[in-house]
Amino acid sequence: AQKVTQAQTEISVVEKEDVTLDCVYETRDTTYYLFWYKQPPSGELVFLIRRNSFDEQNEISGRYSWNFQKSTSSFNFTITASQVVDSAVYFCALSEADTNAGKSTFGDGTTLTVKP
Amino acid sequence: EAGVTQSPTHLIKTRGQQATLRCSPISGHTSVYWYQQALGLGLQFLLWYDEGEERNRGNFPPRFSGRQFPNYSSELNVNALELEDSALYLCASSLSKLEAFFGQGTRLTVV
Repeated sequence: AQKVTQAQTEISVVEKEDVTLDCVYETRDTTYYLFWYKQPPSGELVFLIRRNSFDEQNEISGRYSWNFQKSTSSFNFTITASQVVDSAVYFCALSEADTNAGKSTFGDGTTLTVKP
Repeated sequence: EAGVTQSPTHLIKTRGQQATLRCSPISGHTSVYWYQQALGLGLQFLLWYDEGEERNRGNFPPRFSGRQFPNYSSELNVNALELEDSALYLCASSLSKLEAFFGQGTRLTVV
């Protein structure tokens, strides 16, 4: 069975601080996909990034960066120089290789509050 | 291009009643997924419809059911509502393994 753990329930930082959101996953599959989504107060999940299990290259997109390490089954997300607009709930998710991205196992989410 | 749309935005029902939630996927997407997000919790997979058929079901009782229409829109029905059914119900559509698109959800409150 698949499992995604986001140990940090809530994080509060002051604007311009860097913050890392942790994600640890469990799966027996050798091929899988990992995702991060952002959920603003409006409720809609916004896709941020996807990684497949064969691509351990870290990625940077503006102030966002992701660190994927298969050895520790982790897929952590860092926001550099956080801004108030980054305040949201962030979800890490895992999907199997033989299904579409819509059927994923989600972590319980990390609520990030960025204070001005 | 329109995204995934869900209706209604909010729904208030009394315990024991039935609720019907609707979802229209992105044009061209044949798969629709339903998730329940209880307050403070992650998304729990409910149902997956593709080409009009139920493909997979999460660990929910039979009073959670649904269907997909020929135009790929979908309904989620919750019968005999219980207080713990109060949650945000999210619908997603997807064409591939690469990305899923979510609607803004229907917030169901059971009183």
